[in-house]
Amino acid sequence: GPKVLQIPSHQIIDMGQMVTLNCDPVSNHLYFYWYKQILGQQMEFLVNFYNGKVMEKSKLFKDQFSVERPDGSYFTLKIQPTALEDSAVYFCASSLDWANYAEQFFGPGTRLTVL
Amino acid sequence: GDSVTQTEGLVTLTKGLPVMLNCTYQTTYSPFLFWYVQHLNEAPKLLLKSSTDNKRTEHQGFYATLHKSSSSFHLQKSSVQLSDSALYFCALRVGGTYQRFGTGTKLQVVP
Repeated sequence: GPKVLQIPSHQIIDMGQMVTLNCDPVSNHLYFYWYKQILGQQMEFLVNFYNGKVMEKSKLFKDQFSVERPDGSYFTLKIQPTALEDSAVYFCASSLDWANYAEQFFGPGTRLTVL
Repeated sequence: GDSVTQTEGLVTLTKGLPVMLNCTYQTTYSPFLFWYVQHLNEAPKLLLKSSTDNKRTEHQGFYATLHKSSSSFHLQKSSVQLSDSALYFCALRVGGTYQRFGTGTKLQVVP
């Protein structure tokens, strides 16, 4: 089936540094999402993105976070500067459309550790 | 606000037994409910979805029925296999907004 790829699978950085998480969504999908999962807790929505713009974001999507997809390449989540509480697994997802029923395809996640 | 509750963190069962994983939700809108399965080191994958009251939906031996009267969408299987060991997430979507996930239930099937 359709696959979403995420690079890297693990990232360890020092607090205050910048990090970029990369997502290669399903090729014909138009809507992109980032979710955050702290160990032992539920997956929580961060942001969704369509046609070059953020459509919706949660309160977890802090000012230090930004997303973009330049020229149809990777869909990225950038955190600058990072904080200790940013340590989590970040999941990217994509979907063909925005309907409530639309299936979101998830990547395997990037485990971010902020020291 | 809109939310999803999964009460069991870990369910351990012997192969061949039936299983039911609980999912209840809270919303004032018309709900769309989803079950996702995540095997170790893999991406979450959609297992089931429904928005139709009292209609059973099935996939890969798993089934669930959305009951709006009790705000529930429990996941069931009549006979679990070792390969069913995974993390199961229930999710809610309402009004075109983002999905809200439950905390997940780890299903461990033993021989």
